[in-house]
Amino acid sequence: RKEVEQDPGPFNVPEGATVAFNCTYSNSASQSFFWYRQDCRKEPKLLMSVYSSGNEDGRFTAQLNRASQYISLLIRDSKLSDSATYLCVVAPGWGKLQFGAGTQVVVTP
Amino acid sequence: SAVISQKPSRDICQRGTSLTIQCQVDSQVTMMFWYRQQPGQSLTLIATANQGSEATYESGFVIDKFPISRPNLTFSTLTVSNMSPEDSSIYLCSVEGLSSTDTQYFGPGTRLTVL
Repeated sequence: RKEVEQDPGPFNVPEGATVAFNCTYSNSASQSFFWYRQDCRKEPKLLMSVYSSGNEDGRFTAQLNRASQYISLLIRDSKLSDSATYLCVVAPGWGKLQFGAGTQVVVTP
Repeated sequence: SAVISQKPSRDICQRGTSLTIQCQVDSQVTMMFWYRQQPGQSLTLIATANQGSEATYESGFVIDKFPISRPNLTFSTLTVSNMSPEDSSIYLCSVEGLSSTDTQYFGPGTRLTVL
């Protein structure tokens, strides 16, 4: 079983619509959680951290469910520029990160 | 966040040769990491580059194949030795975040193709 699992997608989303997807992680002792965004042929870039209480950054909302060991990301009012691969990232500690394989989102006009 | 550069940005190499990738950061950082991202896959940590001591390698990666140098707090190199086509990948360095040591910021990557 992979340490971080994501639905690879693609999620095809009409512009202006809402899309949400999850990832699950296996290490219950994981300390920190993040969503990164990776554009084609580019490096991953930190999108947002995920806190236990849930957090919002503009059109993006992240939730953490420690009991069920999953993280979610919701994108509202999707823009064409939101098309990317979204990487679920878990920090088990010791400065290391564990990456999911990514969920591809394609926003269409 | 720190500004991170990598050289070369891409290279095409013959099997059996070696390539050294450089990672430069514009500020001093304690932790630097090297990752590999194979085509269509996510990132896999190769090793943590430690300043003043030997790198710490993850399972499946060894120093003879991926020697790493970390001469100071702003620079590191990763060498991919005795390359084979299976080493074709993107190699990325990363550094810890300034405000949170759990976050990491990535260099632009080096796209390596081995023929």
